[in-house]
Amino acid sequence: DAGVTQSPTHLIKTRGQQVTLRCSPKSGHDTVSWYQQALGQGPQFIFQYYEEEERQRGNFPDRFSGHQFPNYSSELNVNALLLGDSALYLCASSSPGQGAAWYGYTFGSGTRLTVV
Amino acid sequence: AQKITQTQPGMFVQEKEAVTLDCTYDTSDQSYGLFWYKQPSSGEMIFLIYQGSYDEQNATEGRYSLNFQKARKSANLVISASQLGDSAMYFCAMREVMEYGNKLVFGAGTILRVKS
Repeated sequence: DAGVTQSPTHLIKTRGQQVTLRCSPKSGHDTVSWYQQALGQGPQFIFQYYEEEERQRGNFPDRFSGHQFPNYSSELNVNALLLGDSALYLCASSSPGQGAAWYGYTFGSGTRLTVV
Repeated sequence: AQKITQTQPGMFVQEKEAVTLDCTYDTSDQSYGLFWYKQPSSGEMIFLIYQGSYDEQNATEGRYSLNFQKARKSANLVISASQLGDSAMYFCAMREVMEYGNKLVFGAGTILRVKS
């Protein structure tokens, strides 16, 4: 049973460029969330996608956008990269129909983005 | 909004001994869920244990147990019989239910180093 797959694993970009990160959710999961984890900090929620729509968004600027495809995979796009966007970007999948027995997300290994 | 506080930036423990990682939380919700995740250097966030606010007993999963003290709003992780492979970053998190979904709110984490 494949878990969450993220690509690429590492990426180096220049300030002002654009980047696209990809995520394939765990089999059976239909909801994808993205988190940004700066060095030495806990992950911060960026947004969540369900049924190909952005359902919830954290406190991130519009430079951060996403997409979810019919097969539930997802992309995170960041435009006009800043040095401060350097971080580990984690994708997490879940299924919203688990009710009170919901045990949270399955996380991928992340994409480490370095902006120079 | 939920808040998670982990006051121990780093901890050392001798192999085969037990260690407690502290976590306090703040929420106005009556129903909530608390999680502990392990993050090795590879970056993947690995789910360890879950405690629901209405669970009458403390959660246990193998060598992991959660010391849940609701009145004190604390959810400490206890790792028994520490192993060298337990060296990693540990995050306490709380599920926050939003209008159209949910997210995890993380603490700043605690680095655990197991000594041989």
